Amino acid sequence: GAGVSQSPSNKVTEKGKDVELRCDPISGHTALYWYRQSLGQGLEFLIYFQGNSAPDKSGLPSDRFSAERTGGSVSTLTIQRTQQEDSAVYLCASSLDRHPEEPQHFGDGTRLSIL
Amino acid sequence: AQSVTQLGSHVSVSEGALVLLRCNYSSSVPPYLFWYVQYPNQGLQLLLKYTTGATLVKGINGFEAEFKKSETSFHLTKPSAHMSDAAEYFCAVKTSARQLTFGSGTQLTVLP
Repeated sequence: GAGVSQSPSNKVTEKGKDVELRCDPISGHTALYWYRQSLGQGLEFLIYFQGNSAPDKSGLPSDRFSAERTGGSVSTLTIQRTQQEDSAVYLCASSLDRHPEEPQHFGDGTRLSIL
Repeated sequence: AQSVTQLGSHVSVSEGALVLLRCNYSSSVPPYLFWYVQYPNQGLQLLLKYTTGATLVKGINGFEAEFKKSETSFHLTKPSAHMSDAAEYFCAVKTSARQLTFGSGTQLTVLP
């Protein structure tokens, strides 16, 4: 079946602009995660959605970052007033999350470049 | 708090040789452990996972890993490397929190 889908695959924007990144999880997966992968910091957790519960936002690096998940499915990660240090690959993952050992399934990511 | 250490940011092996990628974790509670592989311009693909039970875990593409609680290790091995194994490999741990904590990754190069 279809895996996790992310769009766009690449995004180039100017410093100070806002960007929106989209994630379509695997159908039926109740949990959705955003991670950031950068050369200096490796893979970092950003935010976690589970069903209708309040999201775990503990990994968001600043208040310029926000995310929402509509209808328990599609998620959008928004970065306002982008800075050069926001350049990274943003990865989305989803899982059934019935138990902690459930693996997370990743999309191919959005490569964000801030000029 | 939990953390993952991958020894060796770059590992090179000859085609047909043993692959050994090292992972050590620290966790105050029994962890769930995962190995993922990442090919260029792609996301992470699950190789294998350890939850409970048998300590030797077999995964896809001929990889396996052994959970050693006394050594807090979860090293990844493959008896015979193939050119297609060249990629970056990440070890990850998860406990009660749902998010994964990743190691810094090991880039595997396979030499002809």
